[in-house]
Amino acid sequence: QKEVEQNSGPLSVPEGAIASLNCTYSDRVSQSFFWYRQYSGKSPELIMSIYSNGDKEDGRFTAQLNKASQYVSLLIRDSQPSDSATYLCAVIQGAQKLVFGQGTRLTINP
Amino acid sequence: EAGVAQSPRYKIIEKRQSVAFWCNPISGHATLYWYQQILGQGPKLLIQFQNNGVVDDSQLPKDRFSAERLKGVDSTLKIQPAKLEDSAVYLCASSWGDGQPQHFGDGTRLSIL
Repeated sequence: QKEVEQNSGPLSVPEGAIASLNCTYSDRVSQSFFWYRQYSGKSPELIMSIYSNGDKEDGRFTAQLNKASQYVSLLIRDSQPSDSATYLCAVIQGAQKLVFGQGTRLTINP
Repeated sequence: EAGVAQSPRYKIIEKRQSVAFWCNPISGHATLYWYQQILGQGPKLLIQFQNNGVVDDSQLPKDRFSAERLKGVDSTLKIQPAKLEDSAVYLCASSWGDGQPQHFGDGTRLSIL
């Protein structure tokens, strides 16, 4: 089992719809969770961090965390073509090591 | 606030040659990381420094890769000799401390011929 798992996609969503990105992790004691956006040929950019169960909203982005299910998700409301990118889920695991999933490629169709 | 600076942006070398990458973290960030990102995969941690000490280098191929962070600021990552499978983007990131959000530089895209 991979430490952090994401569906590699591609995930295709029409403009204006909600994009839902999912991530599961294996280390039950993980406490810190991050979503990074990576445009093609660019470096990862931090867009959301979440540390406690529940929802955290920032503009059009909502991160959801369920530690019991070892599941973290990212919702993007009113999706725009500029949201087309690869979204990386990252989890701080034992010894404070940040482990990345393989990323989900998201395409927003105009 | 200036971001993480890396150089060079691109590097092409032949296998068995050596190469070095440089990173300057965000001012004040104590923790510095080097990652390797192979096409289609997420970044993989190679080495983590806290100030000028190594915190984690468990995934660094020590027979060919080395890294240092003199004076706890800038860092260099070296590969000697390079292999074809080292073709990747090498990302440097920094953070205020362990477990804090990490901010990435633009990376160095390395191609091995």
